Amino acid sequence: GEDVEQSLFLSVREGDSSVINCTYTDSSSTYLYWYKQEPGAGLQLLTYIFSNMDMKQDQRLTVLLNKKDKHLSLRIADTQTGDSAIYFCAERETGGFKTIFGAGTRLFVKA
Amino acid sequence: NAGVTQTPKFQVLKTGQSMTLQCAQDMNHEYMSWYRQDPGMGLRLIHYSVGAGITDQGEVPNGYNVSRSTTEDFPLRLLSAAPSQTSVYFCASSSERARDTGELFFGEGSRLTVL
Repeated sequence: GEDVEQSLFLSVREGDSSVINCTYTDSSSTYLYWYKQEPGAGLQLLTYIFSNMDMKQDQRLTVLLNKKDKHLSLRIADTQTGDSAIYFCAERETGGFKTIFGAGTRLFVKA
Repeated sequence: NAGVTQTPKFQVLKTGQSMTLQCAQDMNHEYMSWYRQDPGMGLRLIHYSVGAGITDQGEVPNGYNVSRSTTEDFPLRLLSAAPSQTSVYFCASSSERARDTGELFFGEGSRLTVL
């Protein structure tokens, strides 16, 4: 079945770049996502990438997809204290609705 | 804009009690799902539904029941609560319309403690 793995913690200094990594198993996934969860709240979509793309940039966010290695990364440039949150990598099954999430990476931003 | 509404936000149960977590969405989404979130384990899919009258099991369905009698509502029932069901529960919905990306819209969560 599908499986999504990511490291649990990342700590960076304010102003530095953050890179959160994820590996997934379903090579046929059409959509891959990054969701953000702030304390005490539900998840919100941060960005997504189609499986036929290698890279997507959206302001401070850059998503890289390596389909050969089934590796997805999220880079946050100029990380701010407001970026402190849990970031979830997720993949959606092709032709369906089921979305499988990783365990989440907790990002700590030190001032 | 209500989006996805979950009730209750907090609940404490004793072992063996039953209860229902409510979820309602007003976006006419076909797909609804329930996840539980536990530390270090992320979100795990409990049950999901692709439309009224259709439900299916996710990764961790044991101890939970669902039904989907309307497009809007997708309640999650705990039949006989156990301490292992202490968790934060999230309801999420999505649509398959052509312009959509499959984004899941989440409720604010229901924190359940089973003593």
